[in-house]
Amino acid sequence: EAQVTQNPRYLITVTGKKLTVTCSQNMNHEYMSWYRQDPGLGLRQIYYSMNVEVTDKGDVPEGYKVSRKEKRNFPLILESPSPNQTSLYFCASRRSGSRHEQFFGPGTRLTVL
Amino acid sequence: DQQVKQNSPSLSVQEGRISILNCDYTNSMFDYFLWYKKYPAEGPTFLISISSIKDKNEDGRFTVFLNKSAKHLSLHIVPSQPGDSAVYFCAGNAGNNRKLIWGLGTSLAVNP
Repeated sequence: EAQVTQNPRYLITVTGKKLTVTCSQNMNHEYMSWYRQDPGLGLRQIYYSMNVEVTDKGDVPEGYKVSRKEKRNFPLILESPSPNQTSLYFCASRRSGSRHEQFFGPGTRLTVL
Repeated sequence: DQQVKQNSPSLSVQEGRISILNCDYTNSMFDYFLWYKKYPAEGPTFLISISSIKDKNEDGRFTVFLNKSAKHLSLHIVPSQPGDSAVYFCAGNAGNNRKLIWGLGTSLAVNP
């Protein structure tokens, strides 16, 4: 089954404790991205990757890091989480030639205390 | 400044009737628009799209209309079914092949 998986689905942590949210897709997609969804602000892109070892900032990259060492994986790293990073996070992927039909993961709800 | 606006946060319709979800945009550079549907505890799923060179695209019960002069698009669902109850997001793309600009979504409730 074609899918995008994220782990964990739910996470409660404390300020400053480094964490990683994993994202994996099995569709051989070149393009992957991370979004956060907040009330009243909608979906905002954090980082994206056009292919292996190619990443770039989205609209709200501050406080986040990503890496793309393999085509299927695109982890999101919070080196020192803060309460303003409490949000719902989505990973997405698509083929590079597609007209932006992205496939989304189920979401990770992160709470930073 | 929101480039994609969905001015109705929620909409309620009766099963079997038409649902019309609206979306306005300000960026005249958008050349492609997409609608996504989102159920609770799931990620958004692609529903239907339209290129800016067209004014209508139809897929089963779903039709998207684009009025470029008014910078307005709408999603019609006919007939509406209870399983259509979800949040619907409109998104625009400005052709840079990089990212989508999303509206805030409209929560649709289809009542049996």
